[in-house]
Amino acid sequence: SQQGEEDPQALSIQEGENATMNCSYKTSINNLQWYRQNSGRGLVHLILIRSNEREKHSGRLRVTLDTSKKSSSLLITASRAADTASYFCCLTQGGSEKLVFGKGTKLTVNP
Amino acid sequence: NAGVTQTPKFQVLKTGQSMTLQCAQDMNHEYMSWYRQDPGMGLRLIHYSVGAGITDQGEVPNGYNVSRSTTEDFPLRLLSAAPSQTSVYFCASNRREETQYFGPGTRLLVL
Repeated sequence: SQQGEEDPQALSIQEGENATMNCSYKTSINNLQWYRQNSGRGLVHLILIRSNEREKHSGRLRVTLDTSKKSSSLLITASRAADTASYFCCLTQGGSEKLVFGKGTKLTVNP
Repeated sequence: NAGVTQTPKFQVLKTGQSMTLQCAQDMNHEYMSWYRQDPGMGLRLIHYSVGAGITDQGEVPNGYNVSRSTTEDFPLRLLSAAPSQTSVYFCASNRREETQYFGPGTRLLVL
């Protein structure tokens, strides 16, 4: 099965800067979700974007989906030290009930 | 609502021992899944269920059994633990093509 691949694998920025993470995939999807995981903790859902949507916002988060390029991006604006975490994209592939996770982007926001 | 609960939080086993990881949800979700997460990796799907009495294999099912006798519970059984099963295990539940809600995880160490 194919999974989303996040890019970059690691990202280090200063507080107040924006952080952009990307997720690419290979086959058709039903929807794509972004999750956050703080070190050693469970996953927290951020945003779900369906295949017929192009952009969604939630607070300081903005997710875009380009099905023609088979890619999605997660933008965190005005980052804070508390945003330090790993971020994962997760796909539901066309015709399957399985959710497939990528390996994640590790974001470090320096105060 | 308690959401998704997992027990135990931490377990140490010797090679060859068996144990059951418990997972319960009180949101009446049809779908439940088990994942394992190894250091620096994303989540890999072990088994999942789309309803009571229905289970299917994920990406890494070998060495694990599941059953789904009720909507609420989805236990994961290790019949003969191996060091390669040392990992953090997450249970999740969701409605079809909707957000997955994760439990806090079970850390398993197999010696």
